Amino acid sequence: GESVGLHLPTLSVQEGDNSIINCAYSNSASDYFIWYKQESGKGPQFIIDIRSNMDKRQGQRVTVLLNKTVKHLSLQIAATQPGDSAVYFCAENAGNMLTFGGGTRLMVKP
Amino acid sequence: DGGITQSPKYLFRKEGQNVTLSCEQNLNHDAMYWYRQDPGQGLRLIYYSQIVNDFQKGDIAEGYSVSREKKESFPLTVTSAQKNPTAFYLCASSINREGSILHFGNGTRLTVT
Repeated sequence: GESVGLHLPTLSVQEGDNSIINCAYSNSASDYFIWYKQESGKGPQFIIDIRSNMDKRQGQRVTVLLNKTVKHLSLQIAATQPGDSAVYFCAENAGNMLTFGGGTRLMVKP
Repeated sequence: DGGITQSPKYLFRKEGQNVTLSCEQNLNHDAMYWYRQDPGQGLRLIYYSQIVNDFQKGDIAEGYSVSREKKESFPLTVTSAQKNPTAFYLCASSINREGSILHFGNGTRLTVT
């Protein structure tokens, strides 16, 4: 498959455990944040988003937390499954343009 | 089934040749984008277009050109002036440019030797 990041930070978790992927963003004016999942050989897929007037948002098995004080975003995946193995990107929006982080590779051990 | 189609998935070219990557969307989105992805780096914006017959340079536009003659199509030409063209290219679209969610195609891997 397509290699999307040979030197990415990697998080390795056991199947069934919870995963936490972190992202530090740079622009204090950013008011909208998105998490994307990219599987090998595919384009990024939207997972969940959050606006700056919130500090937590939950989806199906995923939760995004936003700490504006320290400009930190995290993605929590509950009961991680093999299908969750992918590269995860955070993106911030300031001035109507998305800026992407470098990504984190999540590896799920059976 | 709506989506973004990029073709081909793999493309090989000799140095000095121009090459055009195709991107078509049937989502009726106004805005379209081209990103470049290199190992260990995030997505970098090459060009974007908010409306037909209009497009703007992104962060790394040098050595690339685009056109937007139709709403559904946004081809990217990698010219011989691009010093390091080998990369994974991603096309995306959004309903508008106002902070909307981007929908991505599955990318084209370009290898120039």
